[in-house]
Amino acid sequence: QQQVKQSPQSLIVQKGGISIINCAYENTAFDYFPWYQQFPGKGPALLIAIRPDVSEKKEGRFTISFNKSAKQFSLHIMDSQPGDSATYFCAATRDTGTASKLTFGTGTRLQVTL
Amino acid sequence: DAGVIQSPRHEVTEMGQEVTLRCKPISGHNSLFWYRQTMMRGLELLIYFNNNVPIDDSGMPEDRFSAKMPNASFSTLKIQPSEPRDSAVYFCASSLRFTNTEAFFGQGTRLTVV
Repeated sequence: QQQVKQSPQSLIVQKGGISIINCAYENTAFDYFPWYQQFPGKGPALLIAIRPDVSEKKEGRFTISFNKSAKQFSLHIMDSQPGDSATYFCAATRDTGTASKLTFGTGTRLQVTL
Repeated sequence: DAGVIQSPRHEVTEMGQEVTLRCKPISGHNSLFWYRQTMMRGLELLIYFNNNVPIDDSGMPEDRFSAKMPNASFSTLKIQPSEPRDSAVYFCASSLRFTNTEAFFGQGTRLTVV
């Protein structure tokens, strides 16, 4: 049962371009949506996260857009750089502060070319 | 802080053998999570602990898998007997709160069962 669907599976963007990764969720109880970044040979690391009370959150070149009615959220990487080449995972959870579990998307492998 | 420390980084074992993966969480973190990552299934949460107590092991695939956390600074994930389909990267993560939205991942153990 895949509760978070992520697309595309892979993405190639030129340096300076905009990278866009999309996710859709099913469980309306989810109320916390983080994005994780993973470099080869490393564990995932929290990149940016959003709660459904806002439609957008920006941190530097990274922006999350959230559409609660459509149950969709996306990651935008502005001015993409070769150092951004990594695998990106969206995730969702119901942040009750007790027994919550992150459900991850299947990941997007981003390659930023020169 | 050295972060979450996992050992070994790589493990190659023969089918039927017992495999033990080890994790040292970040000092002071009270929650610990074991994940498995494969190309086919992405990141799957296997089990998580809060204050050394297993809270939810519903993600453990079979009885061949077991996990323990004897104290706040150490956890193990054991597979006995191992099978080729267990080949994956196993991650340990820890967090301060009882929710893995702010989890810090280790570098993983790449397990190959031949």
